[in-house]
Order: sequence, then C-alpha cells, then structure tokens
Amino acid sequence: AQSVTQPDIHITVSEGASLELRCNYSYGATPYLFWYVQSPGQGLQLLLKYFSGDTLVQGIKGFEAEFKRSQSSFNLRKPSVHWSDAAEYFCAVGARGGGADGLTFGKGTHLIIQP
Amino acid sequence: DTGVSQNPRHKITKRGQNVTFRCDPISEHNRLYWYRQTLGQGPEFLTYFQNEAQLEKSRLLSDRFSAERPKGSFSTLEIQRTEQGDSAMYLCASIKSGTGGLDTQYFGPGTRLTVL
Repeated sequence: AQSVTQPDIHITVSEGASLELRCNYSYGATPYLFWYVQSPGQGLQLLLKYFSGDTLVQGIKGFEAEFKRSQSSFNLRKPSVHWSDAAEYFCAVGARGGGADGLTFGKGTHLIIQP
Repeated sequence: DTGVSQNPRHKITKRGQNVTFRCDPISEHNRLYWYRQTLGQGPEFLTYFQNEAQLEKSRLLSDRFSAERPKGSFSTLEIQRTEQGDSAMYLCASIKSGTGGLDTQYFGPGTRLTVL
C-alpha cells in the first residue's frame, strides 16, 4: 500500500531564512507527488506537483521541490520564508487521473515563522 | 478560491443526529472525491465518483455514511446517527481526469463537523 511520511511534525524557521520540509513516500509504481498547503480555516491549496520529467519542480509562492527516486523523497524548499508562509504543509502521493484511492497524504508539517 | 464549494462550512450536532454536507465541484470536473481530516492528521480518502457512479469506498466509510452524486454534478455526504468520533473536517475535491496525466485535485474549504 502507498504511504507518505513527513518526519517533522513542527518546524520553526526565522523569517528570511531558508526552509526544507521533508517527505518520503512508498509507492509501487511511478509516483505522482504533490505538496499542498493549508492555512487555518482554509482548504488545501496546491503548491506544486511532479508527474515526470525534470526532477526539480517549481511551484507557486517561490516554493520548489526535488524528486529523488533513489531516496524515495520529494522535499519541499524555499530560499527565504515570509511570515505568511506559516501554515500546515502536506505531501501527497497519488495515481494518474486521481486513482481509485484518491491521494494518500502525510500527517503534515506545521511551519512556524519566527520574526 | 479553487472553485470547489462546500456547505455548510461548520456544523455542530448532537450525537445520534443525522447530518448532510454538500459539495459543488468545478463544473467540468468528472471525478469527485470525499476525504476526512481529523486534528493533527492529513486528509484520508473516503470515497470517489466518476460522474454519477460511486466507484470506490474506503473501509473508513462505515454503513452510517452514504454519498451520492445524482446528476454527476454536486455531491452529498450523509452521516446517520452521528458519533463523537465523526468529528472532523470533511473535504471534497474534484478533478478532470483524462487530461494526459496532468490531473490535479482541487479541494474545497471543507465542512467542519463537531458532534457533541
């Protein structure tokens, strides 16, 4: 069965500092990988996705992620965080076209931004 | 705003009552998913529809849960005889499948259910 592990439950970063959120996945086929962000009281917003091709993908709000098949990882990065980036971040894996089981999400990483 | 809407946004009910939630997906999206998200967890898949057909149900979806998508447009999720363990955020997502592998699920804002 597919699974996603986000090892860090909470991460605290100073405003302006760089950020890396870790994600490891387990999937039997070629994975389709996603990062979503959820702010309090809001739904999930897609930051970026990887389907194929270039393993470094760019997303919205200055985020990027790198797919490393050998490490089964899809870590999210941002060179300089802003206070507005404080939110819950979810990594997810899924099949093409959504798949019969939808997306499988990690438990999320709560990002706290220090002034 | 992703274009997926859910109503109501919040629902407080007493244990044993029935509740119904509605999801309106993006109009041209043919697949619709329901997820449940409890505190401190990521969303978990409940069920999905391809047009009006319900094609898959998670083992999380007990007999007290039923979902419909009667005309292949909006969907409803009903919980009968609610229990305190049903308290969660219920999320709906839609997708236009068959677009060459670039499908992305768009999520609504969710309905937060509190069972007292």
